[in-house]
Amino acid sequence: DTGVSQDPRHKITKRGQNVTFRCDPISEHNRLYWYRQTLGQGPEFLTYFQNEAQLEKSRLLSDRFSAERPKGSFSTLEIQRTEQGDSAMYLCASSLAQVTVDEQFFGPGTRLTVL
Amino acid sequence: DQQVKQNSPSLSVQEGRISILNCDYTNSMFDYFLWYKKYPAEGPTFLISISSIKDKNEDGRFTVFLNKSAKHLSLHIVPSQPGDSAVYFCAASAFHNAGNMLTFGGGTRLMVKP
Repeated sequence: DTGVSQDPRHKITKRGQNVTFRCDPISEHNRLYWYRQTLGQGPEFLTYFQNEAQLEKSRLLSDRFSAERPKGSFSTLEIQRTEQGDSAMYLCASSLAQVTVDEQFFGPGTRLTVL
Repeated sequence: DQQVKQNSPSLSVQEGRISILNCDYTNSMFDYFLWYKKYPAEGPTFLISISSIKDKNEDGRFTVFLNKSAKHLSLHIVPSQPGDSAVYFCAASAFHNAGNMLTFGGGTRLMVKP
């Protein structure tokens, strides 16, 4: 299967701990996005990479959050000193840059629960 | 403020009838609109899209209509099938934005009854 994969699928942590999520995009895709979805809401944009460069960050991405895409392939999203408000589904998407708007393919998400 | 709104959190339709899902937006810079479908425990999957230069796009049983003056779009599913039961998200993008980040509505849960 060559879809977007995310690991882990579920993560339970205690408040104050650090967590790291991984996303493996579709192999030929050069753009990678992170979104966050809370219960009853649609996904909210967090950040995006074109190849290894992080080109856009949302105001939602506090300085406790950091994302990397070191070789332009997989990406990691780290949350330091987690808070209960960080509990959400973290979705990764990838796309191939187009002249028009590119279709984003989403992974299954990582569900984070902060106790 | 929510730039993309789906005011109906849920919709129930009989199999074989038409499903109409609605979406409103406020940002006049949006020029591309997409619908995604989401099943439980899966990520959203792309369904259909429309550019702001068009007012209609059709793909099989799915048609999206765009009314720019009203800043409103709708997704029509005809005929509805039980397998269409899912959460549907409307999303919008402003092409000039680097990376085409998507702004999503809150979703509408569609239930198609056999």
